[in-house]
Amino acid sequence: EPEVTQTPSHQVTQMGQEVILRCVPISNHLYFYWYRQILGQKVEFLVSFYNNEISEKSEIFDDQFSVERPDGSNFTLKIRSTKLEDSAMYFCASRGLFRSGNTEAFFGQGTRLTVV
Amino acid sequence: RKEVEQDPGPFNVPEGATVAFNCTYSNSASQSFFWYRQDCRKEPKLLMSVYSSGNEDGRFTAQLNRASQYISLLIRDSKLSDSATYLCVVTETNAGKSTFGDGTTLTVKP
Repeated sequence: EPEVTQTPSHQVTQMGQEVILRCVPISNHLYFYWYRQILGQKVEFLVSFYNNEISEKSEIFDDQFSVERPDGSNFTLKIRSTKLEDSAMYFCASRGLFRSGNTEAFFGQGTRLTVV
Repeated sequence: RKEVEQDPGPFNVPEGATVAFNCTYSNSASQSFFWYRQDCRKEPKLLMSVYSSGNEDGRFTAQLNRASQYISLLIRDSKLSDSATYLCVVTETNAGKSTFGDGTTLTVKP
């Protein structure tokens, strides 16, 4: 069964450092997303990406965040200067073309980011 | 008002019990509705899509009432393995952005 894969599974970084979280979406999917979940809290939307550009972003997704699809298979989330409050589980998700009854998103296993 | 609001829980039930979760959403333009299940420190996994006609998958039944902007999930004959957090998810079709409820935690006890 096709799946979304994320690397690394756990990243520890020092405050102020840049991190890149990587995702390989399901191959024929066209919509890509990043979500985050702070420990004990709800899953929060960060950004959606379609046709090589951001289609929507949340208030959380400020200037320190960026996304890229550099090579047609990887989808990356970069955090330029990490803060302690960026510590969370980051989930990548992808979705196929919108068709009737076929709009669910598939999630990767997540990258646990710990900023120290 | 939260965009997606779920029963706060937690629910602690014995094996074999029937349990129902409720969810309301505020954006009337929402197009697709899902229940996901999340185990501790794992990714959300799709449990089932929710349709206006209602749908059933084994012990699980989901219902959608668009007029009331209300979604439900019924679990019959609950098993120990049903213990998890259940997430109500509402998706806007155009952007495809999904909005998650806070989740309702279910613990099924022997």
